Amino acid sequence: KAGVTQTPRYLIKTRGQQVTLSCSPISGHRSVSWYQQTPGQGLQFLFEYFSETQRNKGNFPGRFSGRQFSNSRSEMNVSTLELGDSALYLCASSESENQPQHFGDGTRLSIL
Amino acid sequence: QKEVEQNSGPLSVPEGAIASLNCTYSDRGSQSFFWYRQYSGKSPELIMSIYSNGDQEDGRFTAQLNKASQYVSLLIRDSQPSDSATYLCAVKGNAGNMLTFGGGTRLMVKP
Repeated sequence: KAGVTQTPRYLIKTRGQQVTLSCSPISGHRSVSWYQQTPGQGLQFLFEYFSETQRNKGNFPGRFSGRQFSNSRSEMNVSTLELGDSALYLCASSESENQPQHFGDGTRLSIL
Repeated sequence: QKEVEQNSGPLSVPEGAIASLNCTYSDRGSQSFFWYRQYSGKSPELIMSIYSNGDQEDGRFTAQLNKASQYVSLLIRDSQPSDSATYLCAVKGNAGNMLTFGGGTRLMVKP
């Protein structure tokens, strides 16, 4: 099976812009979660989608949003980008709630 | 706030030795526990999953869980230089699929 695919791998944006990141889960996986990883804060949970419904949301401002499509692919959007949004954004998928999550290679976002 | 704590290291062990990594968590309702390995510049890779008290073994890796003490550990036997990485402990609660990660322990295996 192909792994979790995230696009793009790298992005450079400027403050105030918005960005959309994409994630295709492992075939058959219906749960998709997003995480932000920074050197200072480590890995932090953003949100989780299952069958097109957001089930959990982490402690991030409303500028961070996401959605999941009927084919389980997911996107996350960050609006009004700030310098502090520079991070590695990781998507993970799992078959169900009690199964392990597998991570994609991530999208490295740099804000200038 | 639900927390997962790990010693940041670095933990340095000689090649062939046993590396022992530890993790404590605060949420008594936690259901599932995972260890991920992350090489520098790469994404986390699942190493072990453990769901009930006791030991879970997979090759050179053994995960140990003690829910009463809220403690999870990972043992790596016959450590190799290729095991040098950051090891992340992740804990899942009883609702949804949210993982709470520890800060990670950097392991260095010296030839």
